[in-house]
Amino acid sequence: AQTVTQSQPEMSVQEAETVTLSCTYDTSESDYYLFWYKQPPSRQMILVIRQEAYKQQNATENRFSVNFQKAAKSFSLKISDSQLGDAAMYFCAYKPGTASKLTFGTGTRLQVTL
Amino acid sequence: NAGVTQTPKFQVLKTGQSMTLQCAQDMNHEYMSWYRQDPGMGLRLIHYSVGAGITDQGEVPNGYNVSRSTTEDFPLRLLSAAPSQTSVYFCASSWEVFGEKLFFGSGTQLSVL
Repeated sequence: AQTVTQSQPEMSVQEAETVTLSCTYDTSESDYYLFWYKQPPSRQMILVIRQEAYKQQNATENRFSVNFQKAAKSFSLKISDSQLGDAAMYFCAYKPGTASKLTFGTGTRLQVTL
Repeated sequence: NAGVTQTPKFQVLKTGQSMTLQCAQDMNHEYMSWYRQDPGMGLRLIHYSVGAGITDQGEVPNGYNVSRSTTEDFPLRLLSAAPSQTSVYFCASSWEVFGEKLFFGSGTQLSVL
């Protein structure tokens, strides 16, 4: 069974600084997808970034980027120039192919301070 | 455009009571699903549906029942509530079956005493 592990229950970053959230996963598949979702206090889930395992290039979306290390099965999220609005719970998720269910990690709560 | 609407937002039940969590979407999505979110456990899939009349079990289906009589609605029924079902419940839908671009409702916080 696939598992997704987020070892940091809580993180804190100062406004304008950079923070990295960790995620590791376990799979025997060669073709899969990885995601980061953001859940702000409103509880609405937002897809932040998507990475396809066959692509070596790390995905980037504005201030959000990932460090995808396939051999190490690691998928970290880097948030640059942190803003107060980035404060949220962040979930890492895995999907083994397009027609498969998502498996979510346990989440990391990010606090952004002034 | 309402998106995914969940009701109620909060609910307190006594052990053994039954209730239905409502979920409706107005985006004509074929795929709908129910998750529960617990501290330290992340989001876990309870049941899902790939279209009207079709439902299937997720990771944690015990104690829950679903039906999908229309494309828009996907209610979740707790048959006999237990304290272990205290959680935040999310309904989600997407264009694609098992799509990652999920549209989530705002959640229902359920406490079972």
